[in-house]
Amino acid sequence: AQTVTQSQPEMSVQEAETVTLSCTYDTSESDYYLFWYKQPPSRQMILVIRQEAYKQQNATENRFSVNFQKAAKSFSLKISDSQLGDAAMYFCAYQEGTDKLIFGTGTRLQVFP
Amino acid sequence: NAGVTQTPKFRILKIGQSMTLQCAQDMNHNYMYWYRQDPGMGLKLIYYSVGAGITDKGEVPNGYNVSRSTTEDFPLRLELAAPSQTSVYFCASSPRTGELYEQYFGPGTRLTVT
Repeated sequence: AQTVTQSQPEMSVQEAETVTLSCTYDTSESDYYLFWYKQPPSRQMILVIRQEAYKQQNATENRFSVNFQKAAKSFSLKISDSQLGDAAMYFCAYQEGTDKLIFGTGTRLQVFP
Repeated sequence: NAGVTQTPKFRILKIGQSMTLQCAQDMNHNYMYWYRQDPGMGLKLIYYSVGAGITDKGEVPNGYNVSRSTTEDFPLRLELAAPSQTSVYFCASSPRTGELYEQYFGPGTRLTVT
């Protein structure tokens, strides 16, 4: 079965600095999607960024970018110029062709002024 | 366009009671999902539906039932509530067309069973 592992329960970063959140996954599939979701205290799940496995180029959305290493089954999230509003739980998720999302256990990100 | 809506936002149940969590979406999405999130954990799939009249079990379906009579609505039924069902429940929907695989989430329902 596919699994998603986030080995950092908590991370902290100073405002304006850069932080990287780690995610690894296990699958025998070659075609899949990977996502990073943000969950602020409001509990709302917000899509941050997504990556198609067949694309070699790393996805980027403004201050958020990923380092996708398909062979290593690694999908890390880099947040540049961190802002206080970035403080939240971040979940890595893997999606199979049948559209089932499999989530990691999350990383709590604290941002200090 | 309200997106995915869930009611109620909070609910306290006594052991053995039953209730239905409501979920509706106005985006004409075919795919709908129910997840639960236990404290300190990621979301786990309970049930999903690929269209009206079609439902299937996810990772943790025991103690729950679903139905999908319309494209818009996907209620989750809890029968004989147990303390292990204390969790936050999220409904999500997806268009499942082309590369639009993003799932859109509702705001969640916090359920406590005592």
